[in-house]
Amino acid sequence: SQQGEEDPQALSIQEGENATMNCSYKTSINNLQWYRQNSGRGLVHLILIRSNEREKHSGRLRVTLDTSKKSSSLLITASRAADTASYFCATDVSKDDSWGKLQFGAGTQVVVTP
Amino acid sequence: EAGVAQSPRYKIIEKRQSVAFWCNPISGHATLYWYQQILGQGPKLLIQFQNNGVVDDSQLPKDRFSAERLKGVDSTLKIQPAKLEDSAVYLCASSPRRGGRGTGELFFGEGSRLTVL
Repeated sequence: SQQGEEDPQALSIQEGENATMNCSYKTSINNLQWYRQNSGRGLVHLILIRSNEREKHSGRLRVTLDTSKKSSSLLITASRAADTASYFCATDVSKDDSWGKLQFGAGTQVVVTP
Repeated sequence: EAGVAQSPRYKIIEKRQSVAFWCNPISGHATLYWYQQILGQGPKLLIQFQNNGVVDDSQLPKDRFSAERLKGVDSTLKIQPAKLEDSAVYLCASSPRRGGRGTGELFFGEGSRLTVL
């Protein structure tokens, strides 16, 4: 079974609107990461938030992490057609001094229409 | 900087045949991963190497899948014999992470799409 579950499964918005997607997970984590995947391509890393951080920004991206609720959210502000992609959360469930074990959720498919 | 290279990009085989995928990670990256991504799902970790040693292969179907990373650089993933349910994209990723140091970010290749008929 997958560690993370994204919500919603699919999201359709207009250019300029904000897109918000959520990720819930089950076990304790070292960090949580968000990746983007364009159709037929590999995954691209967007942002990493550590377990002791609550919020992080990168350009038009804002990520929050609530370890008490075991959940994270990704906000894309002022969306563009080029943001059309699938977005995955990935949790690093490595034990201390191990090697970075990432588990991915099922993803949120985002479509941004001009 | 060159990215993670994978080949072939596409492969169609019949069930019970064998197939091999190749991955060349980013130069200097110690950790290499193979993920299986079935259509509509997230990537599932098959095997993780640290240099040329296996860190985690708990989800690798060892009766038909094998992987190796000779000399701690390139890696090959083999399926023999293939089943219909092996149809998926096989993603290779690498990371500079060493024992807790580094960003933890993974760099992915474009993937190898396998169709088993």
